[in-house]
Amino acid sequence: AQKITQTQPGMFVQEKEAVTLDCTYDTSDQSYGLFWYKQPSSGEMIFLIYQGSYDEQNATEGRYSLNFQKARKSANLVISASQLGDSAMYFCAMRERMDSSYKLIFGSGTRLLVRP
Amino acid sequence: GAGVSQSPRYKVAKRGQDVALRCDPISGHVSLFWYQQALGQGPEFLTYFQNEAQLDKSGLPSDRFFAERPEGSVSTLKIQRTQQEDSAVYLCASSVLAGGLVETQYFGPGTRLLVL
Repeated sequence: AQKITQTQPGMFVQEKEAVTLDCTYDTSDQSYGLFWYKQPSSGEMIFLIYQGSYDEQNATEGRYSLNFQKARKSANLVISASQLGDSAMYFCAMRERMDSSYKLIFGSGTRLLVRP
Repeated sequence: GAGVSQSPRYKVAKRGQDVALRCDPISGHVSLFWYQQALGQGPEFLTYFQNEAQLDKSGLPSDRFFAERPEGSVSTLKIQRTQQEDSAVYLCASSVLAGGLVETQYFGPGTRLLVL
């Protein structure tokens, strides 16, 4: 079974509107971290936001917020007030405590296109 | 700049040729990761270093792949007798500490390898 599932291959959003990118995960570990990265066409992965499994509040970083629903094992990224520069690939990733190398496990990504 | 750098940015190799990909992590970062990203997919873990020690190489797809970090800073990923299926973007990431769920991995721009 896939550990990270992103079901939206592509999304469109109108500039200045909000958009939600979906992510569900699968783990038996009680302690884990969830990450979102942005990958523009230049190729570099840019860290956006982090949510720990024991964090009671949803993480927020500027225009980014993470809608964390632990029971549903979902960690959706919400981007508010979309900008043209938000057009990129977005990846959800997980790191598990029981993995001693703390590697990131990525989903297949969602391509977001912001329309002017 | 102070980010992770990788060279070359692009590499075209003939099938059967050996290639070497270089990663310069952020100065002082203990952990270094290599990931492979096939076209249209999320990155997949290859190997992990803590200083000069290679602690996890479970993601290396075959014995043609070899990575080293002899002095605990610069790392080289070597692919021997390249095959067409090796065509991908190879991403390097580093993080400050040796572990921890919250540790952010900072990625380089990647090396795009095309095997003809």
